Amino acid sequence: NAGVTQTPKFQVLKTGQSMTLQCAQDMNHEYMSWYRQDPGMGLRLIHYSVGAGITDQGEVPNGYNVSRSTTEDFPLRLLSAAPSQTSVYFCASSYSTARYGYTFGSGTRLTVV
Amino acid sequence: GQSLEQPSEVTAVEGAIVQINCTYQTSGFYGLSWYQQHDGGAPTFLSYNGLDGLEETGRFSSFLSRSDSYGYLLLQELQMKDSASYFCAVRDEYSGAGSYQLTFGKGTKLSVIP
Repeated sequence: NAGVTQTPKFQVLKTGQSMTLQCAQDMNHEYMSWYRQDPGMGLRLIHYSVGAGITDQGEVPNGYNVSRSTTEDFPLRLLSAAPSQTSVYFCASSYSTARYGYTFGSGTRLTVV
Repeated sequence: GQSLEQPSEVTAVEGAIVQINCTYQTSGFYGLSWYQQHDGGAPTFLSYNGLDGLEETGRFSSFLSRSDSYGYLLLQELQMKDSASYFCAVRDEYSGAGSYQLTFGKGTKLSVIP
């Protein structure tokens, strides 16, 4: 049972490049989310999904796209990277029942130069 | 909108008890959670309070008062490994469409000293 798997762990992009951060979970969780974490800012929600085929925007969605074609996978696409997107990105998944909490991936540390 | 307030830093002595407070403002409320994050690591789920009162899990306890929009995390018998950041998070109806998401506070950095 792998939990939530994120790839890559580290990435350096040039301004204007695009890339996809991968996230997969094997717990059959309905909910999946992407957060970014910046110093002193806590975790801010980018996009989320409550099931396959359903996605919605979070607090800071600009510059990012998501899709959820299967229950297991929830990739995050950076359309045209900007230095302001330098951050640590976490994918998380959960059952719809809050009592069990969110399971987070190990994170992707992204630097945009 | 949602907002959560928690102290930015707390220092406590090994073996002691520490309480980390969290106050929140949210348009809808479906529970308060706590997460622990060590430096360089991922957040891990500690506890959830959906109703008023105290929830205990080993050395950690969490309390919620919905009437006061307030909760706290209590750590007993502190150990050096408890040095980490602790985040409170509210589960609310984020988009008003019946889909619930977590909004996190900015975190409290706990330093445990010998």
